[in-house]
Amino acid sequence: AQKITQTQPGMFVQEKEAVTLDCTYDTSDQSYGLFWYKQPSSGEMIFLIYQGSYDEQNATEGRYSLNFQKARKSANLVISASQLGDSAMYFCAMRALRGGTSYGKLTFGQGTILTVHP
Amino acid sequence: EAGVAQSPRYKIIEKRQSVAFWCNPISGHATLYWYQQILGQGPKLLIQFQNNGVVDDSQLPKDRFSAERLKGVDSTLKIQPAKLEDSAVYLCASSPTGLMSPLHFGNGTRLTVT
Repeated sequence: AQKITQTQPGMFVQEKEAVTLDCTYDTSDQSYGLFWYKQPSSGEMIFLIYQGSYDEQNATEGRYSLNFQKARKSANLVISASQLGDSAMYFCAMRALRGGTSYGKLTFGQGTILTVHP
Repeated sequence: EAGVAQSPRYKIIEKRQSVAFWCNPISGHATLYWYQQILGQGPKLLIQFQNNGVVDDSQLPKDRFSAERLKGVDSTLKIQPAKLEDSAVYLCASSPTGLMSPLHFGNGTRLTVT
């Protein structure tokens, strides 16, 4: 079974500063992917960034980067130069490759509410 | 490309009534998912289809929930009879085949059971 833990129920950051949202995971699978999603108050789930378990470099997408530490089983999201529009719920999620083209389900953490102050 | 379409956007029913949700995935996406998201929590997978076959329905309360995906495209999720604890947002998502393929979500259906 796989488990995602996000230990920060809420985070606050000043506009234009960087913030790190924590995510740890537990799985016995060797091949897996880690995802981060943003959910604004309007409710849609927006895909932000992906990291594969065998990727040697940390993923980056614009202002988002993923600090992947495989030995610690952590996949923290770093948002640089925070903007007011970044205020939202953020979810960490993972899915495993089970063999061939068989994939496990995408399992989500509990989420972290990020509030960006002007 | 057009996104994942869901309807209705909102639904209010009384307990013990039935309700159905509809989802049209992104064209060409083989995998379709139904998630339940209770307020303040992360989404929980109810059922996953690969084309029109079920891949995972281990967390679907089969005594009251059912889902189908006819012809490997559109899908419906039904609850009969509804309970108060079914109040949640029901999210449909689709993805192409591939570990690194992100799920694309619809806007969800907010269900309130009174």
